[in-house]
Amino acid sequence: GDSVTQMEGPVTLSEEAFLTINCTYTATGYPSLFWYVQYPGEGLQLLLKATKADDKGSNKGFEATYRKETTSFHLEKGSVQVSDSAVYFCALNHAGNMLTFGGGTRLMVKP
Amino acid sequence: DVKVTQSSRYLVKRTGEKVFLECVQDMDHENMFWYRQDPGLGLRLIYFSYDVKMKEKGDIPEGYSVSREKKERFSLILESASTNQTSMYLCASSFSVRELFFGEGSRLTVL
Repeated sequence: GDSVTQMEGPVTLSEEAFLTINCTYTATGYPSLFWYVQYPGEGLQLLLKATKADDKGSNKGFEATYRKETTSFHLEKGSVQVSDSAVYFCALNHAGNMLTFGGGTRLMVKP
Repeated sequence: DVKVTQSSRYLVKRTGEKVFLECVQDMDHENMFWYRQDPGLGLRLIYFSYDVKMKEKGDIPEGYSVSREKKERFSLILESASTNQTSMYLCASSFSVRELFFGEGSRLTVL
């Protein structure tokens, strides 16, 4: 079945550092890929998505590119802020099926 | 804005007790979901519902049941709580299975 693997956290960075959170997936065909974010004390919310190979999703300074050849969807941000501290979840689905989530990666940004 | 409200943020129950977790959404969404969130395991789908009085098992339905008598309300029931059901429970609703709107979560501790 489908699966999503994320790098284990926590990832600890200083403010303005470059962020990469790795995400790889196993799935048949061409799933859609997502990043969700969970800020402290809140539920998850959709951060960005990509629905086909080579698509780049972007939002709030975050980007991720759908790489079919490496089955990856790594999340990047050029300069993180303290307010980006959260747990980030990579997820995938095929049309009509439920989302499959990765284990989540906690990001801590220090001033 | 979509609002998904979970009735209790924190609950402490004893083994064998019956537990009700309530979730209400205000966007007339057809689909509603219950997930549990555990460290390192990400989100795992317990049950979902795509219409009133309709329900489908997710990946880990054992020990749980659900009720959807009204479109806006989806309840998760633990008939006889056990310590391995200590977890964070997240409710979500959606128009599409791709973009889910989550509540803030209910953290359940079973003693």
